[in-house]
Amino acid sequence: QVQLVQSGAEVKKPGSSVKVSCKTSGGTFSSYAISWVRQAPGQGLEWMGGIIPIFGSPDYAQKFQGRVTITADDSTSTAYMELNSVRSEDTAVYYCARGAGYSHLDYWGQGTLVTVSS
Amino acid sequence: DVVLTQSPLSLPVTLGQPASISCRSSQSLVHSDGNTYLNWFQQRPGQSPRRLIYKVSNRDSGVPDRFSGSGSGTDFTLKISRVEAEDVGVYYCMQGTHWPPSITFGQGTRLEIK
Repeated sequence: QVQLVQSGAEVKKPGSSVKVSCKTSGGTFSSYAISWVRQAPGQGLEWMGGIIPIFGSPDYAQKFQGRVTITADDSTSTAYMELNSVRSEDTAVYYCARGAGYSHLDYWGQGTLVTVSS
Repeated sequence: DVVLTQSPLSLPVTLGQPASISCRSSQSLVHSDGNTYLNWFQQRPGQSPRRLIYKVSNRDSGVPDRFSGSGSGTDFTLKISRVEAEDVGVYYCMQGTHWPPSITFGQGTRLEIK
């Protein structure tokens, strides 16, 4: 059974960084794509980027290039998303999702609420 | 970037009646490999999104057969043959054909019971 379990809610000051984890189980971690998708309050879904661990290098949506870092730890089957220089507009629920590629988001984590507030 | 436009944005439906959601793309979603990477997701209140349909018309495991997807090129439709109370939520289409550079979602359609 595939499960994606994310880290808990975070409250951050503007200008700081936040790092969210996504621990997966079921299936071979390195051969699947992990995507990060965020959802601002009352808004739609926005793909931020992802990583296919077997290939190593992450991929980012243009909007987040330079501000987000996605990594994966094969030894713990865990993916990470770090967002730098956060601002109030980054307040959102951040989801990880897994699939055979970025076009396939078969399984989703429970979401992590990140609140940016001074 | 490819833009997906859903309609309607709000969909009040009587229990037991059919429902239909449209998703139109600004570019053809036929990939060079011949596949069309257009998916549909359901997000119930307070829950994570759940994929219902992949590659236009393939239902995911456990998805009731009252859900169906159709379409081609730039025009796609999600249909619910008879709406049930558990279908309340927001429905999103998503394209993966044009990765890179982008994976994009429609704005979402909120389904509610009349």
